[in-house]
Parts: sequence; C-alpha cells; structure tokens
Amino acid sequence: AQSVTQLGSHVSVSEGALVLLRCNYSSSVPPYLFWYVQYPNQGLQLLLKYTSAATLVKGINGFEAEFKKSETSFHLTKPSAHMSDAAEYFCAVSEGTSYDKVIFGPGTSLSVIP
Amino acid sequence: EAQVTQNPRYLITVTGKKLTVTCSQNMNHEYMSWYRQDPGLGLRQIYYSMNVEVTDKGDVPEGYKVSRKEKRNFPLILESPSPNQTSLYFCATQGAGNTIYFGEGSWLTVV
Repeated sequence: AQSVTQLGSHVSVSEGALVLLRCNYSSSVPPYLFWYVQYPNQGLQLLLKYTSAATLVKGINGFEAEFKKSETSFHLTKPSAHMSDAAEYFCAVSEGTSYDKVIFGPGTSLSVIP
Repeated sequence: EAQVTQNPRYLITVTGKKLTVTCSQNMNHEYMSWYRQDPGLGLRQIYYSMNVEVTDKGDVPEGYKVSRKEKRNFPLILESPSPNQTSLYFCATQGAGNTIYFGEGSWLTVV
C-alpha cells in the first residue's frame, strides 16, 4: 500500500530564505508524485508533478522538487521565500498508471516571516 | 475555463437533516471523487466514480451517498448528518496522469 509522510506540520521561514518542505513516500511500484498548494479559503492546485521523466521537476511560482528513489523522497524547495508563498502544502503519491488512487500526506503549513 | 464547481460553499445544518452538496465539472473527465479535509489528517477520499453509473467507496464512506447519473455531475448526499461530519469537503476530477482538479471546497458544520 502506498503512503506519504510529511515531516513538520508547520514550517516558518523568513522572507528571502530557502524553503524546504519534506516528503517521503512508500510505493511498491514506480510512483507518480505530486505537490499541491492550498491558499486560504481555496481548493488545492497542482504545483508540480513527477511521472518518471526528469528527476528534478520544476513547478509554478519558482518551486521545484527532486525525486530521489534511494531515499524515497520528493522534497519541495524554493530558493527565496515570498510572503505570497504562505499556504498549506500537500505531497501526494499514486501508482504510475492513470486513474490510480492518489494518496495525500497530512500537509505542511508554511508561514513566511517578513 | 476548466472548472469544478461545488455548492453550497458554506453550510450550517442540524443533526439528522438531509443535505446535498452539488458538484459539476466542465472538463469532460470520467473520474470524479469527493474528499474531506480535516486538520492533521490531510485529504481522505469518501467516494469516487470512474464513469457514469459507476461509483465506489473510498476510505471514509460511512454516512455518505453519491450518485453519477451524468458525466458532469457528482452530488454528495448526507442522509442524516452528524457532528463528526463537520468538515471541509472537496469535489474533484482526475485526469490522465492522475492530476487532480479540485473545486473551491464546501465548509459544512453540523450542530
């Protein structure tokens, strides 16, 4: 069975500092991996997605994530935090076949301190 | 514009009073689902539908019903709501490659 863990339910960074949100997954088959962002009072929207092409995936708003099979990780990074990055971030995993169930992690709330 | 639209966005109801949350999509996706979001638990799938007239239970189906009579609509029905169903609900579609497209969410409070 697949699962996702996100280390740290709350992360605070200073504006301009590096953002690092951690995600580890378990999957018995090559996975699809996702990061979603949820701004206050909104639905979730896709930040980026890994589907077995390049291991370094670039997303919207300057975010990127690296798939590391040996570490079963898919950490999300952004070189310089912006106030507008404050949101809830969810990592998710599915098997690498279309229309497979997607499993979400518990989420990490990112605060950006001016 | 590709959209998943759900209504109502906010609802306070009383225990036992049946309610329906509607969901409609314009992306022509066959796969639709309902999730609930609770603090510390992430999103949990309630029900999903891979096609018209085909529905199946997700992880937390108890107390909920769904129907899929046409491709674009997938309503969520709470026949007899209870306080433990107070939550934030999302309707979603899932496209090829498993990308999920979410509605804006429906805040439901059961008192």
